Amino acid sequence: DIQMTQSPSSLSASVGDRVTFTCRASQSISNYLNWYQQKPGKAPKLLIYAASTLQSGVPSTFRGSGSGTDFTLTISGLQPEDFATYYCQQSYSSPPTFGQGTKVEIK
Amino acid sequence: QITLKESGPTLVKPTQTLTLTCTFSEFSLSTGEVGVGWIRQPPGKTLEWLALIYWDDDERYSPSLRSRLTITKDTSKNQVVLTMTNMDPLDTGTYYCAHSPYYNNYFFDYWGQGTLVTVSS
Repeated sequence: DIQMTQSPSSLSASVGDRVTFTCRASQSISNYLNWYQQKPGKAPKLLIYAASTLQSGVPSTFRGSGSGTDFTLTISGLQPEDFATYYCQQSYSSPPTFGQGTKVEIK
Repeated sequence: QITLKESGPTLVKPTQTLTLTCTFSEFSLSTGEVGVGWIRQPPGKTLEWLALIYWDDDERYSPSLRSRLTITKDTSKNQVVLTMTNMDPLDTGTYYCAHSPYYNNYFFDYWGQGTLVTVSS
């Protein structure tokens, strides 16, 4: 199985901040990398697929980049509704695997 | 707007078989490319993919759970059913079904609300 490692596991930020966190795959996955946002008690929500393609309806403050083994998710101008846990997921090969998540908390 | 909803028991005993149903709308599992998958999440932990079925009855399973899982579909009812045998307390968690828009590309663009399953005697 391909292992996905996210860092940091959590971070504190303020409304309006720009934050970036990373996801690393244990082998090359081309651009088969997806990002989800999950709020407590809710289902994950797809934000970005294919490393950098914004899912319909997701604000442009979210930006994904990377290829191969290293990927980043950047949120420009954190909004109160962005405080959540973010998961990366590889869809390059079966079984699809998720990272451990990065929790974005209010400073 | 695509919607999915999971249903099934909230409590099962160890060694029992869990049967979960995913009822969906605004898409069909008889048309090309699409699939429906199951993903679970133990309390406080990350997500784990379990299984996926495509429009053509192609079934995919997590290798680590393959012997315990069966996924089926009923196109006429717009339902996908997951069965998991020999349940254990470690199987406790929220189980989600989700829509997969592209064949052989395992990402999920619409999710159900999830159903919490507790395994306890």
